[in-house]
This record gives sequence, C-alpha cells and structure tokens, in this order.
Amino acid sequence: GAGVSQSPSNKVTEKGKDVELRCDPISGHTALYWYRQRLGQGLEFLIYFQGNSAPDKSGLPSDRFSAERTGESVSTLTIQRTQQEDSAVYLCASSLQGLNTEAFFGQGTRLTVV
Amino acid sequence: RKEVEQDPGPFNVPEGATVAFNCTYSNSASQSFFWYRQDCRKEPKLLMSVYSSGNEDGRFTAQLNRASQYISLLIRDSKLSDSATYLCVVPPGSARQLTFGSGTQLTVLP
Repeated sequence: GAGVSQSPSNKVTEKGKDVELRCDPISGHTALYWYRQRLGQGLEFLIYFQGNSAPDKSGLPSDRFSAERTGESVSTLTIQRTQQEDSAVYLCASSLQGLNTEAFFGQGTRLTVV
Repeated sequence: RKEVEQDPGPFNVPEGATVAFNCTYSNSASQSFFWYRQDCRKEPKLLMSVYSSGNEDGRFTAQLNRASQYISLLIRDSKLSDSATYLCVVPPGSARQLTFGSGTQLTVLP
C-alpha cells in the first residue's frame, strides 16, 4: 500500500480481555517497529523486527505483551489480560532497510481499557 | 547519559520568528539523524533527514555537529502551522531500537 496501515484505529476493551493490534507496513520495508504513546507522553519503544525476527524486544513491558511478524509483512501486537495502564496509542512504523533509514508511521491504534 | 536528549521546551514564539532546537546524542557511531514533527493526537511524520553535515529544505535547516554530538533544527519565518512537537531520532550503530527524543513543543503565536 501507499503507507503504513494499522487496524483497528480505535479499540475499547474491558479490563482482563485480550486484544490484537495489526500493522501492515509499506510494501518492501524490511524493518518494522512498535511504539506506545500515552497521552501527553513521548514514544516508548516496544519491539523492532528485521524481516520476521525480532533483534530487539527489550521494550515489551511485561509477558502480557507479545508480537509477531510473518511473511516479512504484517505484524500483530497482542496484549493479554489488558489492564487500564495499557490504555495508549500504539504506533507502528516501517523502514526500507532498518535503523539507518527513514521510518514511516501508521496512524496508530487508540486503545482504551475500561 | 540518555541516548538522545532534547531541549525540553515549550517554545512559544511569534509568527515570523526564527527558532532553533538542539538534540544531543551519546552514540558517536551514529551515521544518520532524523527530525520528525508530531501534531497533537497524530502520528509522527518525517520532516528532515541528515546524513552529512546538514540539510536545508525551505524554511527548515538541520545541522549536525559530530564533534559535540548534537543536531539542531532551525525554523525561519515561523508560521502558525509550524506549531507541533519536534522529535529527533538518532539510530544507534548496532541492531537495537530506534530511539526518539522526548520532543520539543513549539507554539507559534499570532
């Protein structure tokens, strides 16, 4: 596609439920990043994929968070047993070759845990 | 020392003013640098890339000082539409995360 696409754009879920967030990167982009941004805060790194492998998953806040990428394309971020503190915008970005090339962001998924 | 540190701001400037932000980085192996802008409740968008000493695009100039390990963003003739948060990004030399600075908030006043 023309840009990074994320779905859903908004998600409201009950505390304790699992959610799955999807990211479709720009076609041909081998690197993919997930970030979390709480209201009024900066970007918090979650995980980085190069191809289908994740060289850096150091930002995942707990074992409730997991992510995978398949076919060097779509990625899903799964949050199990959601908590209210998980409420944030989850942003996905992709870049052509990795860390030293420009990254382009999707519009994000706004997650609200009630 | 944090990997990337930015002027905290906020910067409130009148229309037409020139404003500059700095961003310091700790990894001397970094080869490329980026400035992004983020509007309220929107995703970050790439503003400029810096691969050598600097880059200029219209009213925007980014400069790199490798010796002192900082990059700067200069905005001339500020417009109301320049109001946003400006984020610097300094990719590390090894396969790790793409680290964003915490951002500098700019408000251009009429």
